[in-house]
Amino acid sequence: GQSLEQPSEVTAVEGAIVQINCTYQTSGFYGLSWYQQHDGGAPTFLSYNGLDGLEETGRFSSFLSRSDSYGYLLLQELQMKDSASYFCAVNDYKLSFGAGTTVTVRA
Amino acid sequence: DAGVTQSPTHLIKTRGQQVTLRCSPKSGHDTVSWYQQALGQGPQFIFQYYEEEERQRGNFPDRFSGHQFPNYSSELNVNALLLGDSALYLCASSPGGQGSYEQYFGPGTRLTVT
Repeated sequence: GQSLEQPSEVTAVEGAIVQINCTYQTSGFYGLSWYQQHDGGAPTFLSYNGLDGLEETGRFSSFLSRSDSYGYLLLQELQMKDSASYFCAVNDYKLSFGAGTTVTVRA
Repeated sequence: DAGVTQSPTHLIKTRGQQVTLRCSPKSGHDTVSWYQQALGQGPQFIFQYYEEEERQRGNFPDRFSGHQFPNYSSELNVNALLLGDSALYLCASSPGGQGSYEQYFGPGTRLTVT
């Protein structure tokens, strides 16, 4: 089975940088995905790491260390619209999601 | 290009009843996965369909069943509803015949069991 851990809540001000950590224990692993979900909305894909290292997509970056079973999502230049829940998900031909981190951005 | 669509958007059922939820995948996608999301939790994988067959299944009882049609659309059926089945049911599609790391989610069906 899969087990993922991520912080439940993070609060930061506009313009700040937030890092959401994710540790996992899995029986199968092809990579780590990150999804964003606004209240009442559908999860939307943000980033994926299939190999160790950093992937950068605009203001969002994601990192993976397979040897440490660890990854993180970095949100830079926070904006009010970034207030949402963020999920890490292990990919082994299906997605196994963590419980999510609620990010609140304050003015 | 239409994204993933689901129907209905909301549904209220009574314990013991049966429900059918529907999903149309994004154009060009042939794989459909279903997830259950309880309030405040991450989506939990129910099962995945490809070529009209169930390819993978999560830890859900047999009360949860599904179907995929030749046009790749899919249905999720839940029998003998329990209060604990109240949740947001999400459908996600992806191309290529395998569960992709990038799945496109529909807006979900909010099921309430009373």
